Amino acid sequence: KNQVEQSPQSLIILEGKNCTLQCNYTVSPFSNLRWYKQDTGRGPVSLTIMTFSENTKSNGRYTATLDADTKQSSLHITASQLSDSASYICVVSALESGGGADGLTFGKGTHLIIQP
Amino acid sequence: NAGVTQTPKFQVLKTGQSMTLQCAQDMNHNSMYWYRQDPGMGLRLIYYSASEGTTDKGEVPNGYNVSRLNKREFSLRLESAAPSQTSVYFCASSEDPIRAFPYNEQFFGPGTRLTVL
Repeated sequence: KNQVEQSPQSLIILEGKNCTLQCNYTVSPFSNLRWYKQDTGRGPVSLTIMTFSENTKSNGRYTATLDADTKQSSLHITASQLSDSASYICVVSALESGGGADGLTFGKGTHLIIQP
Repeated sequence: NAGVTQTPKFQVLKTGQSMTLQCAQDMNHNSMYWYRQDPGMGLRLIYYSASEGTTDKGEVPNGYNVSRLNKREFSLRLESAAPSQTSVYFCASSEDPIRAFPYNEQFFGPGTRLTVL
């Protein structure tokens, strides 16, 4: 069964510090991996989408890495801000679905709190 | 552009009541989806519509029905609500998965928070 595991479940860091969130997956055959940010009370918003040929992708202070061999991804947040407080969800798409959203496996998310 | 909109934002039902959650998108996307999100669990797909006129079951379809009214609108109906359906419901849309492959990005609505007593 396709699975996506995220760690840690929750994380508290001080404003201005960096942090890294982890995602391990067993989805096969792999198509792409996405990181979403979900603010409290809102829908998820896409941060990055990476295919197997991409091993790093940035979106402002967010940098995602992908190791398709070990089936691991990380999301690094640099110089955290209070607005980074949110849940971060890792989502992996299976190739057999054509990479379409009906073949997505969602992680449970990492809840990040930035303290002033 | 409003993106993906959902109504209502909040709803409280009694067991056995019925209701329809509405979703609309203005991005001319072919595909639309309904998910539910429960504490401690990842988003789970209820139903999806790959294109206008088609609908398919997802991971957790029992107790729900859907209608793809037109290209813009995709509704989710609970015929006889149960406490187990208390959840936050998200609608999402995306371009055609094949045409947009492999970067088929999903856009989510703000969610409907449903409580069934």
